[in-house]
Amino acid sequence: KAGVTQTPRYLIKTRGQQVTLSCSPISGHRSVSWYQQTPGQGLQFLFEYFSETQRNKGNFPGRFSGRQFSNSRSEMNVSTLELGDSALYLCASSRDNINTGELFFGEGSRLTVL
Amino acid sequence: AQSVAQPEDQVNVAEGNPLTVKCTYSVSGNPYLFWYVQYPNRGLQFLLKYITGDNLVKGSYGFEAEFNKSQTSFHLKKPSALVSDSALYFCAVRVLSTDKLIFGTGTRLQVFP
Repeated sequence: KAGVTQTPRYLIKTRGQQVTLSCSPISGHRSVSWYQQTPGQGLQFLFEYFSETQRNKGNFPGRFSGRQFSNSRSEMNVSTLELGDSALYLCASSRDNINTGELFFGEGSRLTVL
Repeated sequence: AQSVAQPEDQVNVAEGNPLTVKCTYSVSGNPYLFWYVQYPNRGLQFLLKYITGDNLVKGSYGFEAEFNKSQTSFHLKKPSALVSDSALYFCAVRVLSTDKLIFGTGTRLQVFP
């Protein structure tokens, strides 16, 4: 069974630009959550989607947004990029509730903002 | 405040020796606790979880963790470390009130041959 797939794996943007990251969950998984990983802050929760609805969100500014499609694939978008947005963005899927079950992570999209 | 702490940024251990990676938590109610491992340039992989039941939880790759309610700890252990265990380890706890998973800052485990 294919794992969680994130694209692109690496990307470089400049300040002020926007970026869209994609995540394809494991087949049959309906929950997709996103995390930002930085050396100083560790893993920070961005948001979680379940059946196309945002079920939970973290403490990030409105520049960070996401959505989920009917096939459970998810995208996250960051607008007006700042240097501090440079990070590894991880997507995770699970069958249902993310907090009682095991999360399956993708390898991440590494964003560098110049 | 609800939180999870990994007090050690790095743990060094010789191959064949037992290892412990520490985790303490502070949440309201009964905690749901997790350990994940991250190898270089990879996503996180689930190791084990504690929801309820036996305080000693066994997981993948020979790892286990002990839930200690009185000390609010969930330390990760392995009887005999391997060089291939070298990685970044994250403890996580479910925050009941917000239904979110909070991750610790991670502990880098270095196993020397």
